[in-house]
Formats: sequence, C-alpha cells, structure tokens
Amino acid sequence: GDSVTQMEGPVTLSEEAFLTINCTYTATGYPSLFWYVQYPGEGLQLLLKATKADDKGSNKGFEATYRKETTSFHLEKGSVQVSDSAVYFCALEAYSGGGADGLTFGKGTHLIIQP
Amino acid sequence: DSGVTQTPKHLITATGQRVTLRCSPRSGDLSVYWYQQSLDQGLQFLIQYYNGEERAKGNILERFSAQQFPDLHSELNLSSLELGDSALYFCASSVAPGAGAYEQYFGPGTRLTVT
Repeated sequence: GDSVTQMEGPVTLSEEAFLTINCTYTATGYPSLFWYVQYPGEGLQLLLKATKADDKGSNKGFEATYRKETTSFHLEKGSVQVSDSAVYFCALEAYSGGGADGLTFGKGTHLIIQP
Repeated sequence: DSGVTQTPKHLITATGQRVTLRCSPRSGDLSVYWYQQSLDQGLQFLIQYYNGEERAKGNILERFSAQQFPDLHSELNLSSLELGDSALYFCASSVAPGAGAYEQYFGPGTRLTVT
C-alpha cells in the first residue's frame, strides 16, 4: 500500500539555521504531495503542496520539490524562526479507480527552534 | 480558525461504551474526511463522504461507522470501545474530493480517552 517515511525527530535547531526535513514516499501512480504543520493544541494546516513531478510548492519561506525519480518531497527553509516550532507532516493523496482517497501521512517530525 | 467545528473537544468514557463525534464542515464544503491520530499508529485516514455518500474507506474498524447528513454535517460513531481507541479524532472538509486541487481544512479535533 501507499506509505510516507519521514525523520521523526525531535529536530532541534538554533534560530536562523537552515532546515531540511526529509520525506520519501511509496505509491502507485502519480500522487499529490503535501506538507502539513500542527501547532500545539491545534488541528493541521496545509503548508504547501505539489501535484505533479518537478512542481515546487512554497509558502512562508518553506519550499519542497516533487522529485519522482527519487520519490521524495523534502521540506526546506533557509532561516528558521522560533515561531516555526511545531510538528510537520509529509502526506500524499493517492488515486484509485473511484477517484482520490484520503491523505496518507508520515509519522511527523517535531521541530524545536531555540532562540 | 479553519471553519471546521468538532464537538465535543474532550470525551472520557469506559471500555465497551459507544460514543458519537460530530463535525460541521466549512460553509460550502461538500466533502468530509475523518482521521485518527494516536501515538502507536500516527495519523490514519478512516473514511470520506461527499455530498452524503460514502466516497472512500481507509483503515476504519468494523466497530466504527460514520454518516453525512443532508445539512452536510457528519458523525463518527465508535462502539464497543477499547483502550486502544484512545486517540485524537480529526475531521477535515474540502469543496470536493481530491485530485490535489482542493485543500482539506482540519478541525481542532476531539480527544477521546477510553478508561
């Protein structure tokens, strides 16, 4: 079945450091790929998405590129802030004969940014 | 605030009991999804409804059922509860199902504790 693998952390960085959170996937066909963020006590929010190979999703300084050849969708940010501290989930949306199914999530990466 | 509401926020019940979780989607959204977040299994897709009809099923147990009503709100029924059903249950909504084109907006979740 479909699956998403990401580093679980926690990942601890200093403010203004460069961030990479790795994400790889297994899916049949051509899934759409997403990064969601969950702040403490809240639901998930969509951070960015890419729907086809070589697409780059970007939002709030975060970027990720859909790499079909390496089945990856790594999340990057050039300079993190304390307010970026949260749990980040990589996810895919696969398609069956009847259309799109629900999201398949990775385990989540807990990111801690220290001042 | 995503516009998706879930009630109750917290629920504590005993093993063997039955509970109902309620979700109201964002205004205009026809599709509702249910997800379970637990420490063991992570975030898992349970079931999806579109305009009152079941659209896709994920890892939903036979003891669980759901429905979407004509006013588009949805209920998730969990019966014969076990300790392992303790989790955060999220509802999400979107304009229409999938294809990566329609963002899923997540509610704040219902935390279920089975004692």
